[in-house]
Amino acid sequence: QVQLVQSGAEVKKPGASVKVSCKASGYTFSSKYMAWVRQAPGQGLEWMGRIDPSGGSTSSAQKFQGRVAMTRDTSTTTVYMELSSLGSEDTAIYYCARNSNSGYDFWGQGTQVIVSS
Amino acid sequence: QSALTQPRSVSASPGQSVTISCTGTSSDVGYYNYVSWYQQHPGKAPQLMIFDVNRRPSGVPDRFSGSKSGNTASLTISGLQADDEADYYCCSYAGDAIYVFGTGTKVTVL
Repeated sequence: QVQLVQSGAEVKKPGASVKVSCKASGYTFSSKYMAWVRQAPGQGLEWMGRIDPSGGSTSSAQKFQGRVAMTRDTSTTTVYMELSSLGSEDTAIYYCARNSNSGYDFWGQGTQVIVSS
Repeated sequence: QSALTQPRSVSASPGQSVTISCTGTSSDVGYYNYVSWYQQHPGKAPQLMIFDVNRRPSGVPDRFSGSKSGNTASLTISGLQADDEADYYCCSYAGDAIYVFGTGTKVTVL
């Protein structure tokens, strides 16, 4: 069965970076794009970007360009999302989600990131 | 890219129907038939309910249906049940390998 298992909660200081991992299993890792979506407390979903695990190419929302880096390790079937120059507004739950057709059919459990001095 | 516009909340009694709108532009919802819908219960990850405007993943009840007209997509939930009470989000492809979510709608079962 398809599973996306994310890394644990993080607490970071303003200006720091955070790297969240998402280990995929139960399907051919390189066959589906993986997206990153975040949700600030009490707010809606926000699409951040996606990576093609096959070749490693990425695309990201304009808001995050220059501040987000998405990578993958095919040997461990894991994708990573690193967000730099953190501010309090980056406090959120970060999800990885598998892209199938035009939808996101499997989601990780979410990783809480808290940015606080 | 601006978030797609959804009503903040909708409500209905059990057994009735609700329709949630999702308004974008001619560059996203209006141009591509790549609209999806998600249900999110409190404290849980979102769940895919509709993709490609009107297709249901296996396991999603046929009480959930999607449609699109112009720049507005819609999700209809018929035969409303208590467990349908949740937040719902639309999402559209916007070109150039970019997606955008809607603002979210809280569905209340009276």
